[in-house]
Amino acid sequence: SQTIHQWPATLVQPVGSPLSLECTVEGTSNPNLYWYRQAAGRGLQLLFYSVGIGQISSEVPQNLSASRPQDRQFILSSKKLLLSDSGFYLCAWNKGTNYEQYFGPGTRLTVT
Amino acid sequence: AQSVTQPDIHITVSEGASLELRCNYSYGATPYLFWYVQSPGQGLQLLLKYFSGDTLVQGIKGFEAEFKRSQSSFNLRKPSVHWSDAAEYFCAVGGGNTDKLIFGTGTRLQVFP
Repeated sequence: SQTIHQWPATLVQPVGSPLSLECTVEGTSNPNLYWYRQAAGRGLQLLFYSVGIGQISSEVPQNLSASRPQDRQFILSSKKLLLSDSGFYLCAWNKGTNYEQYFGPGTRLTVT
Repeated sequence: AQSVTQPDIHITVSEGASLELRCNYSYGATPYLFWYVQSPGQGLQLLLKYFSGDTLVQGIKGFEAEFKRSQSSFNLRKPSVHWSDAAEYFCAVGGGNTDKLIFGTGTRLQVFP
């Protein structure tokens, strides 16, 4: 069976510091991968998605970037965090014609 | 424009009462429809999905949803709510030539004993 991991689970970072969140999927190959942000009391905002290694599509211009160095690894980064980057970050995957997405447990980021 | 609308931000029901959460969509291609549930501080879990066929679909945890093409709706129902159903519920639509899903803004369900 497939599983998706995210780490860290929680993170408190000062403004201006760098960020690296990691997502990995096990039990499948060549998945589509997605990064979402969920601000407090709001819905899901798609940030990035990837259909293959090195292929990243950005949905919203912002302070963040994403990379996919390996088939089942998706990384969300920032060089300098802003207060507005605080939120709950979710990684998800799907594959082929299965439009349904499967979500990881999320990372709670607080920028102070 | 493609969109999903969940008109109820917050719903409160008593335990044992029936539940219906509304979802309306606007989508250019044949829609594939989903309901997800999110408990506080956790990821989203897929409750059920509609791709084609029978318009009444059954999901996990006793939930069901009915696809009504004429009304562009995909409402989620449960005949008897349990306290553990308290969570946030998201409707989503996908399909066509994109791998992406469009999510609604969610409905927070509160259950009173």
